[in-house]
Amino acid sequence: SQELEQSPQSLIVQEGKNLTINCTSSKTLYGLYWYKQKYGEGLIFLMMLQKGGEEKSHEKITAKLDEKKQQSSLHITASQPSHAGIYLCGAAPNGGSQGNLIFGKGTKLSVKP
Amino acid sequence: NAGVTQTPKFRILKIGQSMTLQCTQDMNHNYMYWYRQDPGMGLKLIYYSVGAGITDKGEVPNGYNVSRSTTEDFPLRLELAAPSQTSVYFCASSLAGGWEKLFFGSGTQLSVL
Repeated sequence: SQELEQSPQSLIVQEGKNLTINCTSSKTLYGLYWYKQKYGEGLIFLMMLQKGGEEKSHEKITAKLDEKKQQSSLHITASQPSHAGIYLCGAAPNGGSQGNLIFGKGTKLSVKP
Repeated sequence: NAGVTQTPKFRILKIGQSMTLQCTQDMNHNYMYWYRQDPGMGLKLIYYSVGAGITDKGEVPNGYNVSRSTTEDFPLRLELAAPSQTSVYFCASSLAGGWEKLFFGSGTQLSVL
């Protein structure tokens, strides 16, 4: 079965600093989702990447998909306290044919003011 | 729109008790899902449904049952609660399978003592 490994598991950064979170798949990645979870709340969709080499940005968050490395990275520029939370990557087994996602274990981000 | 609504938000059960976690969505989504999230373990799919009257097992279905009599509702039933079912449960929905983003409820925190 496919597994997604995220690194680091947790991260503490000073406000204003840049940071990167990685998600590596054990099998071929046909695409990847990034979600954010605030403490005690549900997951909020951030971005979806479907093509190798694809890069998407939303405000100060940029995600890239490297199909050859079976990896995606999430980069936050000039971090703010509002970026704090748990970031999870998700992928659809079998290339999305079933619609159900598997998730990584998450990266817990804390931003110090 | 309310999106995906889960009730209750918190519940404590005794071993052997039963309960139903409610989930309803008002987006006319065909696909609905139940995930559980254990600390540091990411999300695991319990059951999912591709439409009214159709359900299928996910990765960790043992100890749970579901039904989908309407498009809007997807309740999750725990028949004989066990401590191993202590977790946070999330319901989600998507318009279709494949590359569609999931919309999540805010979760139900369940403790079995």
